[in-house]
Amino acid sequence: GENVEQHPSTLSVQEGDSAVIKCTYSDSASNYFPWYKQELGKGPQLIIDIRSNVGEKKDQRIAVTLNKTAKHFSLHITETQPEDSAVYFCAAVRLNEKLTFGTGTRLTIIP
Amino acid sequence: GAVVSQHPSWVICKSGTSVKIECRSLDFQATTMFWYRQFPKQSLMLMATSNEGSKATYEQGVEKDKFLINHASLTLSTLTVTSAHPEDSSFYICSALGGGEKLFFGSGTQLSVL
Repeated sequence: GENVEQHPSTLSVQEGDSAVIKCTYSDSASNYFPWYKQELGKGPQLIIDIRSNVGEKKDQRIAVTLNKTAKHFSLHITETQPEDSAVYFCAAVRLNEKLTFGTGTRLTIIP
Repeated sequence: GAVVSQHPSWVICKSGTSVKIECRSLDFQATTMFWYRQFPKQSLMLMATSNEGSKATYEQGVEKDKFLINHASLTLSTLTVTSAHPEDSSFYICSALGGGEKLFFGSGTQLSVL
């Protein structure tokens, strides 16, 4: 089955700086890679996703890049703000299979 | 994005009682819903896949007689924790497939069993 590794487990960034979270996956057939943000006591919220036929996707301050050859994808948050503080999960899935989550990254934005 | 409503957001119960958690897709029909369990500072652990009109598929190690799942309509799935014990205390989260492979989550239910 799919195995997703996520790094770092914790990340502290000065407000206004950029944050990068990286994930690797094992199943070359995985073709959909979502990122979720989870605030304390709440369910995960889908913030951005990318399909295997695309190398990069951007939505305002958030971007995701995918390297299919190396089987890794990354989340980039620019101009970080205090409300970006949360736990972020990457995930990978192939068609008709179940989503496999990474272990999570606790991002703290320092004012 | 699609909205998934989950209730209650928190519940405290006595050991031995049963607790029902509801998960509704508000603006779309979900033939497939998922139930997860999450321990503090850990990732989500899939418990079962709930399919409308059929029996749920449980992950290895999850007791189907303890965690009863019902998906009677295209917008509602329920998880009942039967004869709850303190070790069942956890954060339970449902999700639903909305629009291809996009997965949307409910707000979660914190269960505390005394």
